[in-house]
Amino acid sequence: GAGVSQTPSNKVTEKGKYVELRCDPISGHTALYWYRQSLGQGPEFLIYFQGTGAADDSGLPNDRFFAVRPEGSVSTLKIQRTERGDSAMYLCASSRELYSGANVLTFGAGSRLTVL
Amino acid sequence: EDQVTQSPEALRLQEGESSSLNCSYTVSGLRGLFWYRQDPGKGPEFLFTLYSAGEEKEKERLKATLTKKESFLHITAPKPEDSATYLCAAVGLARKLIWGLGTSLAVNP
Repeated sequence: GAGVSQTPSNKVTEKGKYVELRCDPISGHTALYWYRQSLGQGPEFLIYFQGTGAADDSGLPNDRFFAVRPEGSVSTLKIQRTERGDSAMYLCASSRELYSGANVLTFGAGSRLTVL
Repeated sequence: EDQVTQSPEALRLQEGESSSLNCSYTVSGLRGLFWYRQDPGKGPEFLFTLYSAGEEKEKERLKATLTKKESFLHITAPKPEDSATYLCAAVGLARKLIWGLGTSLAVNP
């Protein structure tokens, strides 16, 4: 697609529920990133994929968070047993080049998660 | 520890009133310094990458500069549509992008 697409744009759920957030990166971009951003904060790194594999998942806060990218394109961030502290904007980004740390990232519009 | 600090936290300007945003960084072996713009409820949008001290880049009313310790985003004769949060990020030898908290800019007509 022309840009990074994220769905849903808004998700309201109850504490303890399971949530899936989807990201469709720019066609041909091999690298895909998930970030989390709270109000007034900069993006917080969660996980990075190069192709189908999670090359760096060091930012996932705990084992309730999991992400997949089975065919090297669309990715799904999965959150189990949601907690109120999980409420945030979840941002997906992609880049054309192999990860170097200095990649230009193209972000999606984000998925706003609210856990009641 | 690698760190990025942005100032001021918030800035309010009148249309046409030029100013600068600051990004101070402490990063071992800087590989790149990035500026992004973020509108409310949207993801960050890439503006500039700077790689070495002395480098400057321009885009419309924006100019980004880099020294060995900080970067400035100069805004010349801003317009209301320049209102946004401007985020700075740096990456060093650790190859981890370190983000600042951003400067929220409001330009009044």
